[in-house]
Amino acid sequence: EIVMTQSPATLSVSPGESATLSCRASQSISSNLAWYQQKRGQAPSLLIYGASTRATGIPARFSGSGSGTEFTLTISSLQPEDFAVYYCQQHYNWPLTFGGGTKVEIK
Amino acid sequence: QVQLVESGGGVVQPGGSLRVSCAASGFTFSRYSMHWVRQAPGKGLEWLVVIEINGATTYYADSMKGRFTTSRDHSKNTLYLQINSLTPDDTAIYYCVKEFENDKWFFDHWGQGALVIVS
Repeated sequence: EIVMTQSPATLSVSPGESATLSCRASQSISSNLAWYQQKRGQAPSLLIYGASTRATGIPARFSGSGSGTEFTLTISSLQPEDFAVYYCQQHYNWPLTFGGGTKVEIK
Repeated sequence: QVQLVESGGGVVQPGGSLRVSCAASGFTFSRYSMHWVRQAPGKGLEWLVVIEINGATTYYADSMKGRFTTSRDHSKNTLYLQINSLTPDDTAIYYCVKEFENDKWFFDHWGQGALVIVS
């Protein structure tokens, strides 16, 4: 099983600033990584897939990068609606696995 | 638009069974593999199982084998998850999720979730 590790667990950021979230895979997953956003009380929603492709309707301030075992989600100029929990997920092989999440909170 | 609506959650005693249903609409259900993902209260996401288009091919997370069974009914556009021998550790929101496209194992649509409480 591929273990996905996200860091930090919590990130405190002021509105308008940028945030950088990390996700590490226990073995190479090429570019088979997705990012999801989950707001309080809601189901997750897809942000990024293939490590760097934004899903339909996702603003350009969200960007993903990385390959192999190291991945990054960058949110530039954080908006009030961006404060949420973010999860990475490898879509390389079975079983599919998620990281533990990073909570982006208002500083 | 795509809609996934779960039902069948509730409070169940330890050792009991439950079936969660997911009614799909807004897309051709029979053309997509479907998955179940759960989330324990205050915790992260855990992938459980995928069922492919043919309804016969399934892959389960190792920890789910034996107690969890998924199936689908194309005539009703509905996905099912049967859970047996429930324990308190199964308390979670159970999400029905749609694969982005076949063999792309990430999820572009999620249901609102069905809350299962084992107590």
